[in-house]
Amino acid sequence: KAGVTQTPRYLIKTRGQQVTLSCSPISGHRSVSWYQQTPGQGLQFLFEYFSETQRNKGNFPGRFSGRQFSNSRSEMNVSTLELGDSALYLCASSLAGQRMGQRGYNEQFFGPGTRLTVL
Amino acid sequence: GDSVTQMEGPVTLSEEAFLTINCTYTATGYPSLFWYVQYPGEGLQLLLKATKADDKGSNKGFEATYRKETTSFHLEKGSVQVSDSAVYFCALSAGNAGNMLTFGGGTRLMVKP
Repeated sequence: KAGVTQTPRYLIKTRGQQVTLSCSPISGHRSVSWYQQTPGQGLQFLFEYFSETQRNKGNFPGRFSGRQFSNSRSEMNVSTLELGDSALYLCASSLAGQRMGQRGYNEQFFGPGTRLTVL
Repeated sequence: GDSVTQMEGPVTLSEEAFLTINCTYTATGYPSLFWYVQYPGEGLQLLLKATKADDKGSNKGFEATYRKETTSFHLEKGSVQVSDSAVYFCALSAGNAGNMLTFGGGTRLMVKP
């Protein structure tokens, strides 16, 4: 079974540009989450999509957006790039979404990440 | 809000030494707890998990016990190998936050032959 794939693996952009990153979840998984990893802030949750709907959102500015397609593939977009957006962006897929307040967990499988460098 | 605190690294050990990486958490409700490992140039891999108090997660010689009374989930291994060199992240998934994971800052482990 193929794992989570992310494209591209590396990306270099300049300030002010926009960028789109792609994530293909494990076949059959319907939930996709995105995380930003930086040396200073560590791993921070961006958002989660389930069945094409944003289910949860972290504390990031509106320049960060995402969407999910009917085949569960997800994209995230960052507009008006800033130097501080340089990071490893990780995508994680999970079999199902989880309702707020529901106990238990859904194991999440991470992709290799996209390394974004903003110059 | 929910948070995870883990010991800062790097932790440098000789091969076959005993490993402990401390992790404590703050969360409402009944979180599930995880340890993830990240090897250079790769994404995160789930190492072990525990979903309720007193559960012990174990995998590849690593163990961690969910201690509700001390809100801790310390990672241990009796004898580390060079191949265990990586960054280890403690994380929680709170019941009121969907699939969102809250991570600790990560601890880099370096094992010398």
